[in-house]
Amino acid sequence: GQNIDQPTEMTATEGAIVQINCTYQTSGFNGLFWYQQHAGEAPTFLSYNVLDGLEEKGRFSSFLSRSKGYSYLLLKELQMKDSASYLCAVFKAAGNKLTFGGGTRVLVKP
Amino acid sequence: DGGITQSPKYLFRKEGQNVTLSCEQNLNHDAMYWYRQDPGQGLRLIYYSQIVNDFQKGDIAEGYSVSREKKESFPLTVTSAQKNPTAFYLCASSPPGQGEGYTFGSGTRLTVV
Repeated sequence: GQNIDQPTEMTATEGAIVQINCTYQTSGFNGLFWYQQHAGEAPTFLSYNVLDGLEEKGRFSSFLSRSKGYSYLLLKELQMKDSASYLCAVFKAAGNKLTFGGGTRVLVKP
Repeated sequence: DGGITQSPKYLFRKEGQNVTLSCEQNLNHDAMYWYRQDPGQGLRLIYYSQIVNDFQKGDIAEGYSVSREKKESFPLTVTSAQKNPTAFYLCASSPPGQGEGYTFGSGTRLTVV
């Protein structure tokens, strides 16, 4: 079975930093994706981590620890448009499947 | 432009009726997927297909059916056996291998009244 946990909701102030944690317990693991989803829209790709460590892409960074079953997405210099849900997803090469966590709704306030 | 198209964007049906959601891609991707999303929830896998004429059940396949007669198309039928069909349905496709991620369609919001 698979278990992927993220906080349900987080609130932060414009210009601040927010860290969204994701823990997972899965049978089989080949990588971890982060997606952003605005309400009523399709998810859009943010990052993909295969190896342990930090991947930085502009204002967004993602970290993975395979031994701890843990990842986080770091959003810096928050903007109002960053208000969205952020989905953590575990990739299994067998079946080429993504399994998603419940998503974290981030609300950015002025 | 290559992409994945879902239609319609909004769909209303009466309880007890079957309904088919369309998903078409011109990305030449082998794999296609159907997910369901309920309000405030993550995505749950309904069915997926790695190759034409083959598909597998996901985590919540009961009450749904699919076909994969062409590489470009992966329609989903929501049958009357699905107890709570009202949801946001997302179709996705991906090439083989890791790191490519999925390309998602824009989704179909199904409301059963």
